Amino acid sequence: GNSVTQMEGPVTLSEEAFLTINCTYTATGYPSLFWYVQYPGEGLQLLLKATKADDKGSNKGFEATYRKETTSFHLEKGSVQVSDSAVYFCAPRFQGGSEKLVFGKGTKLTVNP
Amino acid sequence: EPEVTQTPSHQVTQMGQEVILRCVPISNHLYFYWYRQILGQKVEFLVSFYNNEISEKSEIFDDQFSVERPDGSNFTLKIRSTKLEDSAMYFCASSIASSTDTQYFGPGTRLTVL
Repeated sequence: GNSVTQMEGPVTLSEEAFLTINCTYTATGYPSLFWYVQYPGEGLQLLLKATKADDKGSNKGFEATYRKETTSFHLEKGSVQVSDSAVYFCAPRFQGGSEKLVFGKGTKLTVNP
Repeated sequence: EPEVTQTPSHQVTQMGQEVILRCVPISNHLYFYWYRQILGQKVEFLVSFYNNEISEKSEIFDDQFSVERPDGSNFTLKIRSTKLEDSAMYFCASSIASSTDTQYFGPGTRLTVL
């Protein structure tokens, strides 16, 4: 069946460190892939997305590439800031007529100055 | 920039009571969704709604839940008889259309059932 596996945290980094949060999926087709971010006390915000293989989504210095071969959509940022501290969710939308997002468990990132 | 809004931000209720959570989706969007996040757990899909009817629902969305678009702007989630395990953050979302369109989320309503 369709599923998503996301690296669990928490992740603690120093400012300007490199960030990777792993996300892999199992699917019978080719899902659309999303990363959402939840800042403390706030709702879910779309961070970036990719809808087909080899697409790269990017926003606010974050990037993720849709890798069909490895069924992955890892989130990366070259130099994190304190303001990036939040919970990050990988969320595929699988094919087959379903409109729902299937969220990973979330990865809490804390960036220290 | 248009955004999804939700009221109230926090609702406290007694077990067995009915609650209605309200959402105002982005005005030109056609698809509406409810998700929930129990504290410390992942975000789970409840229901999607299009053209005044439910288009998809999860196993969580049982007979105690209902959704409605009572007018041209509001989208509501009703829980008829709340249980302790309904305590969660409830997120409303909307999208212009389905398939590959982005879902935009509201800030959430925290429901506490005592």
